[in-house]
Amino acid sequence: KQEVTQIPAALSVPEGENLVLNCSFTDSAIYNLQWFRQDPGKGLTSLLLIQSSQREQTSGRLNASLDKSSGRSTLYIAASQPGDSATYLCAYYSGGGADGLTFGKGTHLIIQP
Amino acid sequence: NAGVTQTPKFQVLKTGQSMTLQCAQDMNHEYMSWYRQDPGMGLRLIHYSVGAGITDQGEVPNGYNVSRSTTEDFPLRLLSAAPSQTSVYFCASSPSEFAGGETQYFGPGTRLLVL
Repeated sequence: KQEVTQIPAALSVPEGENLVLNCSFTDSAIYNLQWFRQDPGKGLTSLLLIQSSQREQTSGRLNASLDKSSGRSTLYIAASQPGDSATYLCAYYSGGGADGLTFGKGTHLIIQP
Repeated sequence: NAGVTQTPKFQVLKTGQSMTLQCAQDMNHEYMSWYRQDPGMGLRLIHYSVGAGITDQGEVPNGYNVSRSTTEDFPLRLLSAAPSQTSVYFCASSPSEFAGGETQYFGPGTRLLVL
């Protein structure tokens, strides 16, 4: 069974810091990878989608990279703000078997004011 | 444009009861899916549909049924609820014909407690 590991499971940093969230996966045949944000009691919001042929995607203060050969992706958050506090999930699509995304367990992020 | 809506937001069932979780989207998306989210685990795919009249099983389909009679609606039915089905259920949709084509849009979730 293919797995997605997100490290760290939880992270608490002061406001203004730059930070990196890590995602590793064992499936070498991924089609793309997405980063989502989940607020307490809410659904998931897609942040960035990286195709397997791409190395990175950027949206505002967020930058996601993908290294398919090593099975790793990172989400970089610049100049963190208290509003960034949430759980961040990575998920990939491989197209094999059932047609859905394979999710990690998430990183719970707290930005201290 | 309401996006993906789910009802109810919260439900308590007794073991053996049946119920339907509703999911609707107003974006004319072809692909729709159901996931469950349990503590300490990633979201797991229950069932999915690539268009009206077409459904298929995901990773954890046992105890659940789905149908897709219209593009807009994708209800999830629990036939005989069990405590192991206590979870948060998310519905998602995508404009693509498959899960990985484009960004997926998630509903707010239904929290289900089975006693």
